[in-house]
Amino acid sequence: ETGVTQSPTHLIKTRGQQVTLRCSSQSGHNTVSWYQQALGQGPQFIFQYYREEENGRGNFPPRFSGLQFPNYSSELNVNALELDDSALYLCASSLTTSGAYNEQFFGPGTRLTVL
Amino acid sequence: GDSVTQMEGPVTLSEEAFLTINCTYTATGYPSLFWYVQYPGEGLQLLLKATKADDKGSNKGFEATYRKETTSFHLEKGSVQVSDSAVYFCALSEGTDKLIFGTGTRLQVFP
Repeated sequence: ETGVTQSPTHLIKTRGQQVTLRCSSQSGHNTVSWYQQALGQGPQFIFQYYREEENGRGNFPPRFSGLQFPNYSSELNVNALELDDSALYLCASSLTTSGAYNEQFFGPGTRLTVL
Repeated sequence: GDSVTQMEGPVTLSEEAFLTINCTYTATGYPSLFWYVQYPGEGLQLLLKATKADDKGSNKGFEATYRKETTSFHLEKGSVQVSDSAVYFCALSEGTDKLIFGTGTRLQVFP
């Protein structure tokens, strides 16, 4: 069983540029959540995708956007990069079923540095 | 809104010492509670969870009890090892849409 994978591992961009981060969900999972983890902080929820639709969003501006594909993989896009966007971006996949909480499995993350 | 507060680190212990990492939460409903661990260079791993009051989560010698009356979920281990050195995050979820994390506590265990 393949776990959650993310690419690239590291990325350096300059202010104002755009970036796309990718996530492949664990086999059998249908939901992907994205989190931003600034240095020394806990992860902050960005948004979640379920069945290719956004299913919940945290307190992030519209320049943070995403996609989920029919194979349940996902992309996170960030436009007009700012220095404060420098962080570790974590993707987590889960199998959404009705009722109880569904455990999220995290990938290793993409480290984004904005200069 | 919902939030999680955990003790600041780093926590520095000798091998075989007793560990406690405090975590308290604020929530409008009845959340599920979690402890995640992050080893250097790796993503988050679920360590243990509890879904209702008085539940005790346990895994790999770690334990935490969901205390509704004190809104707490403190992490404990009776005898830590060097391999337990990592960052520990307390988190809650009031549904399936998102996890809310604390700021993390770094644990350093020395031989």
